[in-house]
Amino acid sequence: GQNIDQPTEMTATEGAIVQINCTYQTSGFNGLFWYQQHAGEAPTFLSYNVLDGLEEKGRFSSFLSRSKGYSYLLLKELQMKDSASYLCASMDSNYQLIWGAGTKLIIKP
Amino acid sequence: TAGITQAPTSQILAAGRSMTLRCTQDMRHNAMYWYRQDLGLGLRLIHYSNTAGTTGKGEVPDGYSVSRANTDDFPLTLASAVPSQTSVYFCASSDSNQGEADTQYFGPGTRLTVL
Repeated sequence: GQNIDQPTEMTATEGAIVQINCTYQTSGFNGLFWYQQHAGEAPTFLSYNVLDGLEEKGRFSSFLSRSKGYSYLLLKELQMKDSASYLCASMDSNYQLIWGAGTKLIIKP
Repeated sequence: TAGITQAPTSQILAAGRSMTLRCTQDMRHNAMYWYRQDLGLGLRLIHYSNTAGTTGKGEVPDGYSVSRANTDDFPLTLASAVPSQTSVYFCASSDSNQGEADTQYFGPGTRLTVL
């Protein structure tokens, strides 16, 4: 079957670093996406990895290991506005996205 | 540009009634998607369309139908609503051709309550 696992909730402190992990198991693999979703809003695209390694984009970085079926999203210099849910999604062999339930990130001052 | 718009923003619907959720995009994207999002679950694909004139079933298509008469519009119809269809519905689009990976962009969502 197809499955995406990520923690339900994480708490971090403003200014700190947090790593959100995601493991995936899908029928075929055409890349791993991370989206941010603030409460009551639409998901917005953060990153896409299809090759192993780290992709850095400002305060956010995303890592992929295809052999381990594993990805993480790293958020540095946390700001209060980073409080949101972070959605991991794997693109399967049919180019359809299989979504995790999301990780709710709570930032404390 | 507006990107993707959805209407209505929210709706309360009596069970057994029909309803059409509207979705329009102005990015000339080939592919469009309908998802539902429920608490504790990931986004689940209802129906998709890779290009105008074609549609396909996603993970949870029962009770829903779609059409794609043109590039811009992708309405989702509930023929006879049931309480289990209470959810937040997101429309999305991507500039991918079939067999390509591309980013999906989401509309603001429609919050539907079926009583």
